[in-house]
Parts: sequence; C-alpha cells; structure tokens
Amino acid sequence: GNSVTQMEGPVTLSEEAFLTINCTYTATGYPSLFWYVQYPGEGLQLLLKATKADDKGSNKGFEATYRKETTSFHLEKGSVQVSDSAVYFCALVPTGGGYNKLIFGAGTRLAVHP
Amino acid sequence: DVKVTQSSRYLVKRTGEKVFLECVQDMDHENMFWYRQDPGLGLRLIYFSYDVKMKEKGDIPEGYSVSREKKERFSLILESASTNQTSMYLCASSVTGERGHGYTFGSGTRLTVV
Repeated sequence: GNSVTQMEGPVTLSEEAFLTINCTYTATGYPSLFWYVQYPGEGLQLLLKATKADDKGSNKGFEATYRKETTSFHLEKGSVQVSDSAVYFCALVPTGGGYNKLIFGAGTRLAVHP
Repeated sequence: DVKVTQSSRYLVKRTGEKVFLECVQDMDHENMFWYRQDPGLGLRLIYFSYDVKMKEKGDIPEGYSVSREKKERFSLILESASTNQTSMYLCASSVTGERGHGYTFGSGTRLTVV
C-alpha cells in the first residue's frame, strides 16, 4: 500500500544551522509529494510540493527534490531560524488516488534555539 | 484570500454531550476532510466527503458522524462525547482531479471533554 516514512524527532538545532528532514515513500506510479508545516497551536500549512520526478519544490528558503530512484523527498534549509520551530509533515497523493486523499507521515518536530 | 474556517479554536464539553464541530470553505472544493491529531499518533482521518450528502469513513470513524448538507460546510458530530475524544480536530478541503494542489487546512479546534 501507499505510505510515508519520516525521520523521528525531535530535531534540535542552533540558529543558522543546516536542516535536513528525511522523507521516503512507498507508492506505485508517480504520486504528488508535499511538505506541510504546523506552527504551535495552528493548523497545517502547505510549505512546498512537487508533482513529478526531479521537480524541486521551494518556499521560504526550504527545498525538497522529488527523487523517484530513491523514493525520497527530503526537506532542506540552509540556515534555520528560531521562527522555523514547528512540526513538519511529509505527505503524498497517490497516482489515481480517489478524491486526492493525502497520506501523511507521522510528522517531525523541529526546535531551533538561539 | 481563500480559506477553511473552523468555528471554534477552543471548546470544552462535558462527557455525554452531543458536540458539533463546524467547518466552512470558500473555495468551492468538492472534497472535505476531518482529522484528529494526537501526540505520537500523527494525523488520523475520521471521515471525508466528496460531494454534498456523500460521505465515507476514514480510519477512525467510531463515535463520530458527519453531515454535509451544503457544498461549503462539513460538520463533525460527536454523538456522546467521551474523554478519549479530547484532541485537536482539523478540517481540510481539496479539489477533485487536481492531485498537485493538496489540501487547505483550517486552524483547528482543540476540544477538551471533561
């Protein structure tokens, strides 16, 4: 079946450090891939997305590249800020997925310290 | 700005009460979803609806029902609230056929059942 696996958190970094949050998926065909972010006490917001192999999604300094050969969509940022502290969710919509139901990973909590 | 609006940010209810959580979207989306989010368990789909008066069970429908009488509104009903339904509830919507758009989420309702 379709699934998303994220690295376990929490991830704790100092300000200006480099961030990587790993995400791998299991799905047939070419799913669409997403990263969502949830700030404390809020709902989820779409951070970035990619809909085909080798696409790079980017937003707010975050990037992720759709790697079909490794079934991965790792999230990266070159220099994190305290304001990036949040929970990050990797997700996919399967090829031909009915009603575009998103399948989520478990989420990775990021804490950035000054 | 398009959005999904959940009627309450915080709600406290007593055990046994009938509870209504309301969600309204202004994007003319066909699909609407209710999730609950609990620490360590990630996002779990309760119910979703792909059209007016149409609904399907998600992964954890027990103890819940839903209503979709109008396209823009999707209500989650706790028939008889129990303490194990204390949780963060998230509503989302999406467009059918546009796999690359993902979901738009509301800000969430934090429900406490005492």
